[in-house]
Amino acid sequence: DTEVTQTPKHLVMGMTNKKSLKCEQHMGHRAMYWYKQKAKKPPELMFVYSYEKLSINESVPSRFSPECPNSSLLNLHLHALQPEDSALYLCASSHPGGQFYGYTFGSGTRLTVV
Amino acid sequence: QQQVKQSPQSLIVQKGGISIINCAYENTAFDYFPWYQQFPGKGPALLIAIRPDVSEKKEGRFTISFNKSAKQFSLHIMDSQPGDSATYFCAASRANTGFQKLVFGTGTRLLVSP
Repeated sequence: DTEVTQTPKHLVMGMTNKKSLKCEQHMGHRAMYWYKQKAKKPPELMFVYSYEKLSINESVPSRFSPECPNSSLLNLHLHALQPEDSALYLCASSHPGGQFYGYTFGSGTRLTVV
Repeated sequence: QQQVKQSPQSLIVQKGGISIINCAYENTAFDYFPWYQQFPGKGPALLIAIRPDVSEKKEGRFTISFNKSAKQFSLHIMDSQPGDSATYFCAASRANTGFQKLVFGTGTRLLVSP
């Protein structure tokens, strides 16, 4: 299995809703990442988990809450989002370091906040 | 110093032509330079990557040229095909313990005309 699977593929939520994005990989990667991508822009790093511990939080607002329950799963909990948070949310995984084999990205969750 | 500058922003190439995308970086600690290809509605996919101890790497129609002294690297797509029409991102990273932090270029939208 060489894929990163993200669910749901599309999500529309109101500003008062609570929702979660899910990401799963079975490649044995011990680093997992959340990125946010706006249209015609490069991906922007939000969070990095290494060995299930949060290693980087790129000053992301607290309405985004990551969780790494185990080495294969990564969640992003969403609460009280703003319309400007509408974007493609990408999950990625990689080997933890040393020899770097490259990220594997999921296909993303297209989030629309109304 | 963390930036990766990418040009051109957009590129139109005729079928069978050569597409060339350029990137430049400042941080000499970067030790890994991947290129990602992204189709609309999909996550970026690793296309090809190079390390600074190599000046050129070729995989099929895709070639990376790397100039360490100039701190520049480029992607050449030979015999460009309409199916190559996508957004291309260069990136750079340096090894960290437990994860890799990619710095992306701004992206190039390639259109290959039939």
